[in-house]
Formats: sequence, C-alpha cells, structure tokens
Amino acid sequence: NAGVTQTPKFRILKIGQSMTLQCTQDMNHNYMYWYRQDPGMGLKLIYYSVGAGITDKGEVPNGYNVSRSTTEDFPLRLELAAPSQTSVYFCASSYSRVAGGGRETQYFGPGTRLLVL
Amino acid sequence: QKEVEQNSGPLSVPEGAIASLNCTYSDRGSQSFFWYRQYSGKSPELIMSIYSNGDKEDGRFTAQLNKASQYVSLLIRDSQPSDSATYLCAPYRDDYKLSFGAGTTVTVRA
Repeated sequence: NAGVTQTPKFRILKIGQSMTLQCTQDMNHNYMYWYRQDPGMGLKLIYYSVGAGITDKGEVPNGYNVSRSTTEDFPLRLELAAPSQTSVYFCASSYSRVAGGGRETQYFGPGTRLLVL
Repeated sequence: QKEVEQNSGPLSVPEGAIASLNCTYSDRGSQSFFWYRQYSGKSPELIMSIYSNGDKEDGRFTAQLNKASQYVSLLIRDSQPSDSATYLCAPYRDDYKLSFGAGTTVTVRA
C-alpha cells in the first residue's frame, strides 16, 4: 500500500492564482482530512470528509474548497491565493471516527509546501 | 487557554538519557490521545496512542495519561540521535478533529 499520497510536493503561486492540491489514499478509509501547518505551530483542520459526497468545514476553511467524488480522492482547491495561505498542507485519512479502538488513528501524507508571493 | 499545551522547547538531552515531554489539554471530552513524531520537513508519524489512565510502554517509549488532571506525557528512554524531532501531542474526541499542540522539539546530542 502506498498509504496517503499528495501532489505536488512544492508549489509557488502568485497572489490571486488558483490551484488544486491532490490527495489519494489506498487504504479504503472512509474519513479524510486536510490540515495546514504554519511554522512552529500545530496542525489546524481545514476540511474533512466522512465519505464520498460528504464534506464539512474544519477550523480554518476560509479561502478553500473541497470535493469528495470517490473514496480514494480528496482534492483541496485554493481560490484566489493569498500570502496568508503560505503553509504546508497535509492530507490524512482514518478508517473510523469512533474514539478508543485504534481505527480512528489518522495517517498523514507527505505534505505539499505552498508559497504564495 | 490553548486547547493543547506542550512544554516549550527545544529540549536538549544527551544520548542515552531520558527525554520527558508533557502535554495538557482543555477538552474533558477527549478520549484518545496520540503522540506523533515529525522530522524536519516531513509529515507527522504516529508513535504512540493511549486511551486509559496509566502507563503504556512500547519499546523505548512510555506514554502516561491522567484524565482527571487532563495531562498526558511521553518518555523516551535511552534517547538516540534518531529521536531528534518535534513531538506533537494530539488529543481526540469523537468528532473527527485531532487537536494538535505546537510540539516540543527534541535534540539528542551525541
């Protein structure tokens, strides 16, 4: 299993440009997440999905959109990029959301480093 | 008050010593507790999970949980240079969202 894969690894955007960050998992996990990590900070949840066709906002959704047409894929769309969106973006997935059984463990992709100038 | 607070680093320990990492959390509804290790420029990697009060040992790692005190810790025994990384504490409740601390950076000096 490749686990969680993300593309691209690194991207430079100009202010106002748009792009899509790709995320794919091959573990048949129902739950998928997008986080951003700013330097010296913990990860903050942007959006999450509990299954194909179902998405919901996390802590910091402004400026982003997501879709989930398949179990495997969960792309993150940035519209009108701003310098505040300079960050490292991590996609994660888990089998379950129920706490305590271990299947709620979230597994992370390698990340996409985004620089908005 | 931050949701998750970890002891500020960086924490420098000599090789072979014990590194002690602390974490307090504010949400009493948290049920699962995870420790992730993150090497510089890499993604978080799960190293320990704990669900019940007490200690849980896995190799050189020991996690301790005290829900009444809203406290979780991680001990790294016989620290190795490969343990040099940032350690993220992440409590979880039954609502999808992991709450991450800012992390404690550990440097193991030879």
